Amino acid sequence: KAGVTQTPRYLIKTRGQQVTLSCSPISGHRSVSWYQQTPGQGLQFLFEYFSETQRNKGNFPGRFSGRQFSNSRSEMNVSTLELGDSALYLCASSLGDTYSGNTIYFGEGSWLTVV
Amino acid sequence: DAKTTQPPSMDCAEGRAANLPCNHSTISGNEYVYWYRQIHSQGPQYIIHGLKNNETNEMASLIITEDRKSSTLILPHATLRDTAVYYCIVRVAGGATNKLIFGTGTLLAVQP
Repeated sequence: KAGVTQTPRYLIKTRGQQVTLSCSPISGHRSVSWYQQTPGQGLQFLFEYFSETQRNKGNFPGRFSGRQFSNSRSEMNVSTLELGDSALYLCASSLGDTYSGNTIYFGEGSWLTVV
Repeated sequence: DAKTTQPPSMDCAEGRAANLPCNHSTISGNEYVYWYRQIHSQGPQYIIHGLKNNETNEMASLIITEDRKSSTLILPHATLRDTAVYYCIVRVAGGATNKLIFGTGTLLAVQP
């Protein structure tokens, strides 16, 4: 079956603009998580959504937000872009139940460059 | 902070077994050990996970010590395509969360 799909794969934005990234999880998965990866900070957890509700949030400013739709697809938004927001943004999905042994699968990511 | 410690880099000859160590001395009884790898510019790829028993799948084997304070990922016959950063992660337990905390991982370089 299809894996986690992220769009767009690459994009360039200007400082001060906003951006929306999209993620389609694996069919049947109800949890979607977002991560930011930069050379300096590595892979960092942004937030997680389950059944349209945010149930966990990382240590990022309020400019970073997300949402999940009833079909489990998710979007994340970054407003007032800064140069430091240039990163690989990764989406991950899982079944989402509380069984901590379930597997989390990642998409290929969206490369965001802020100029 | 990441709850695991891994060597920053390792080399392995092509065709030989690659053994990647990970220390997780503060692991809790209900926390799993997960391994992912990331090939340059791609999303992390799930490899294997385990609780306390050794695990094997088509990609690798996971050996967890009896006290669960460390583990080893074994790639039985490394190829050039196995060159990647390997992350050992202790899954945050408790409550409804699928959050992963990544450390800096081990860069495995498979040499021809």
